[in-house]
Order: sequence, then C-alpha cells, then structure tokens
Amino acid sequence: QKEVEQNSGPLSVPEGAIASLNCTYSDRGSQSFFWYRQYSGKSPELIMSIYSNGDKEDGRFTAQLNKASQYVSLLIRDSQPSDSATYLCAVLGFQKLVFGTGTRLLVSP
Amino acid sequence: EAQVTQNPRYLITVTGKKLTVTCSQNMNHEYMSWYRQDPGLGLRQIYYSMNVEVTDKGDVPEGYKVSRKEKRNFPLILESPSPNQTSLYFCASSPQSGLVTDTQYFGPGTRLTVL
Repeated sequence: QKEVEQNSGPLSVPEGAIASLNCTYSDRGSQSFFWYRQYSGKSPELIMSIYSNGDKEDGRFTAQLNKASQYVSLLIRDSQPSDSATYLCAVLGFQKLVFGTGTRLLVSP
Repeated sequence: EAQVTQNPRYLITVTGKKLTVTCSQNMNHEYMSWYRQDPGLGLRQIYYSMNVEVTDKGDVPEGYKVSRKEKRNFPLILESPSPNQTSLYFCASSPQSGLVTDTQYFGPGTRLTVL
C-alpha cells in the first residue's frame, strides 16, 4: 500500500464548478497535511496546510481533514481555467514530506 | 527576493560523466532536501539535511551523493550517472531544524537527461 494515494485523474470540471480532490494516507500517526499545486514543468507551490480535523478555508480553497478515516481533501470553488494543474497531497512523516503522485485537474472554459 | 535557486536548469549528459547540480537558498533555512520527480511515481526524496554537516538518506539515495558544508548550499552529486537517473530534480528548503514545517520552498527544478 502506498503511503499517500491520489487518483491520477484527469478530473475534468467546467469553469465555475466545484472541483473535489481526494487523498488517503496510511500512517495513522500523521499530524500535518498539505496541498501543493504544480503547473506542468514548474515547481510545486504550497496552497493549503491543515493539521486538525474539520475544514480550513482560504479564499476559493477549502481543505478537509478526517484523521479517523485517514483522508484529506481539497475543494476548489468557482474553478477557473487557471486552476488547471496537478495537485499534490503531502503528508508529514518522520523528518520528511511524503507526496502522493498527484491528481491532474482540467477546468474547461 | 527569498528563493531557492538551482543550476543548471537543463542538462544533457552521457553515462558515467560525473556531474553536480547546485542548490542555494537565501532564507537562512536549516532544512534542505532533494527530490526527483518521474511520471507516475510522483516526488520522491533522495537526500535531506537537517542542518549543516547533518545529512541522511531519503527513499531513493542510490547513485547520489550530497554535502552540506554551508547552511545555504546543498549540492547533489552524481558520480557516475546512468540513464535511469534521467528525471526532473527539485531542491527544497524549510526554516526549522528537527521538523519539516508547512512552508517548504521549492527551487525551479533541473531537468536531467542521461544518454
């Protein structure tokens, strides 16, 4: 079992819709969770971090964490074509971040 | 401007020819790390450094070396590159020692091709 799992996609949504990205992790002791956005050929950039169960909102982005079920999700409201990218879920392990393989999001105009 | 820089950005080389990819950060960060990214495999950690003179292996260290003689620099060395090391490489840094904080800054990446 992979430590951090994501559906590779692509996830296709129309402009203005809500995009929902999911991630599951295997280490029940994990405490810190992150979402990175990566445009093709570019470096990852942090968009959200979450540490407690529940929701955390930042602009159009909402991260959701459920430690009991070991999943973390990212909702993007009012999706824009500029949101088209690969979204990487990362979980803090011992002295390192463990990344999922990413979900590719395509937002069509 | 706070940043992580990598050089070169693109490199094509041949099997067995030693090469070094440099990484430098100007944010006085303690923690630095190298990743490689391959299609379908995601970002995998090669080596990391908690602070100066302290380095440790990540998930895929074979064929790589690192050194951390100064806080700002963390070069990645391929002593004898092979085609399976063709990949996109990222250097990253974080502020604190002993912990990976939420703000891990990534360099722009180095695309390496080994023929």
